[in-house]
Amino acid sequence: DIQMTQSPSSLSASVGDRVTISCRTSQSVSNYLNWYRQKPGKAPELLVYAASRLQSGVPSRFSGSGSGTDFTLTISSLQPEDFATYYCQHSYKGPLTFGGGTKVETK
Amino acid sequence: DVQLVESGGQLIQPGGSLRLSCGASGFTFNSHEMNWVRQAPGKGLEWVSYISSSGSTTVYADSVKGRFTISRDNARNSLYLQMNYLRAEDTALYYCARGLVVIPADLVAFDAWGQGTMVTVSS
Repeated sequence: DIQMTQSPSSLSASVGDRVTISCRTSQSVSNYLNWYRQKPGKAPELLVYAASRLQSGVPSRFSGSGSGTDFTLTISSLQPEDFATYYCQHSYKGPLTFGGGTKVETK
Repeated sequence: DVQLVESGGQLIQPGGSLRLSCGASGFTFNSHEMNWVRQAPGKGLEWVSYISSSGSTTVYADSVKGRFTISRDNARNSLYLQMNYLRAEDTALYYCARGLVVIPADLVAFDAWGQGTMVTVSS
């Protein structure tokens, strides 16, 4: 099975900050990598699919990059609603798996 | 609006069985693959099972294989998860999640989620 490692597991930031979250896979997943945001007490929301394609309706401050085994989610200017937990997920082969999550907290 | 509404979660004893349902509305249900994803209290997300749009193909996580069965009724716009031989480690909030229609078709992303139904396995 493909293992997913997100880093950091948590970070502290302020509104307006640029935030970068990393996801590394144990083997290449090509660009079969998606990103989600989960606000407290809510269901996850798809932000980015296929590594870099922004899901419809998602603000342009979100962007994804990478291919193979190393991927990045960037929030260009953190907004109050972005204090949440972020997950990466692959769908390359074998069981679909999520990363362990990155919690973005208020500094 | 796209809506997914899960039901059927409850407190159940280890070894018991439960059937979860997910009612879909606001989109053409039979055009989308569907999935179940769960989240144990205070933990991350775990994909559980996948079903193709026609229902002909199903896939399971190793942790539930042989115990859980996913199915769908496209005429009723409904998704199901039959859960047998439940264990304490199955305790979680179970989400129904719609598959994104995308090219390449084998890329699986979850573009709509319900609010979840809680399953608690405990004696």
